[in-house]
Amino acid sequence: EPEVTQTPSHQVTQMGQEVILRCVPISNHLYFYWYRQILGQKVEFLVSFYNNEISEKSEIFDDQFSVERPDGSNFTLKIRSTKLEDSAMYFCASSEGGQGRIYGYTFGSGTRLTVV
Amino acid sequence: SQQGEEDPQALSIQEGENATMNCSYKTSINNLQWYRQNSGRGLVHLILIRSNEREKHSGRLRVTLDTSKKSSSLLITASRAADTASYFCATNSNYQLIWGAGTKLIIKP
Repeated sequence: EPEVTQTPSHQVTQMGQEVILRCVPISNHLYFYWYRQILGQKVEFLVSFYNNEISEKSEIFDDQFSVERPDGSNFTLKIRSTKLEDSAMYFCASSEGGQGRIYGYTFGSGTRLTVV
Repeated sequence: SQQGEEDPQALSIQEGENATMNCSYKTSINNLQWYRQNSGRGLVHLILIRSNEREKHSGRLRVTLDTSKKSSSLLITASRAADTASYFCATNSNYQLIWGAGTKLIIKP
């Protein structure tokens, strides 16, 4: 079964530091996403990415956030200057069709980011 | 309620019983999806139902969708201890999924 792989599984960082969360989507998927889940809260959409550009982003995804697909396999989320409130589980997802309309989305296991 | 609200918030049943979870949403959707999350782990896609479908089955899962009432239900039949998890509905409009707060399901042996 193809998987979305996320690294690292857990990252601790100092407030103000930059972090890069990495994801390897499923190889034949064309749409990529980042979501986050603050402990005990709902999963929240951050950004979707298609054809090497952002297709939609939420209010959470401000100038501190950026995404990149630096090569044919990786999809990264960068947080430029982390804040305490960025502590959350970050999930990468990919889908074969837009809006996950074909088979839904495949999520990675998440990166737990702790900002101290 | 917000888009994608599940009820009940928590459900505890005996192994072998059926579990039913409900989801309500507010806006028009392209599809509605159900996901499972084991404690602190990743999100696992269970089933997707399109807005023009009324019912869908996958193994022990049965999902219904009533677009007139803007609601969906997930039925897990013959529950097992391994079904213990949180279950989320998520609605799809444009590129993003909008999630509910989830139902925490506990299956007692």
